[in-house]
Amino acid sequence: ETGVTQSPTHLIKTRGQQVTLRCSSQSGHNTVSWYQQALGQGPQFIFQYYREEENGRGNFPPRFSGLQFPNYSSELNVNALELDDSALYLCASSNRDRGDGYTFGSGTRLTVV
Amino acid sequence: LAKTTQPISMDSYEGQEVNITCSHNNIATNDYITWYQQFPSQGPRFIIQGYKTKVTNEVASLFIPADRKSSTLSLPRVSLSDTAVYYCLVGPPGAGFQKLVFGTGTRLLVSP
Repeated sequence: ETGVTQSPTHLIKTRGQQVTLRCSSQSGHNTVSWYQQALGQGPQFIFQYYREEENGRGNFPPRFSGLQFPNYSSELNVNALELDDSALYLCASSNRDRGDGYTFGSGTRLTVV
Repeated sequence: LAKTTQPISMDSYEGQEVNITCSHNNIATNDYITWYQQFPSQGPRFIIQGYKTKVTNEVASLFIPADRKSSTLSLPRVSLSDTAVYYCLVGPPGAGFQKLVFGTGTRLLVSP
């Protein structure tokens, strides 16, 4: 059984640019959640996708958007990057129908300069 | 989801037992208590989950008193590789459809 994989592992972007982060969910999982983790803080929920539909959103502005594909992989897009967007972005997958818990990926470290 | 309170940091030495306590005064009847471990630049990893009394697995034990307003994660004979941040969360079991609410966690430093 493969785990959750995220790409890229590290990324440096300039303020105002756009970024796309990718996540391949664990085999058998149909739900993907994204979290933002600032340095020294716990992960904060951004949004969740279930069967290609957004299924809950945290307190993040609309410039944070996402997609889930038929194979249950997912993308997180952030437009108009701000310095405060610098963080570790974590993807977690689960199987909502089975009631499985989350499996997290190792994250993408985004630095905005 | 219920809010949790944990110590910000703890120090220990190799071979000692470490107990990290979490308080969750507003835990709901159907909530379970789940602990995650996170190493630097990695995602959180599930350690243990329980509802009441005591749960033990190959990694840790979880003690939950009758009122369930607190819980204690016990790590037996820690090693240097147990240095990590430990998060206590409460919520429905198998909560892969719920958002997880993380606090700031407890930073455990294990020294030789």
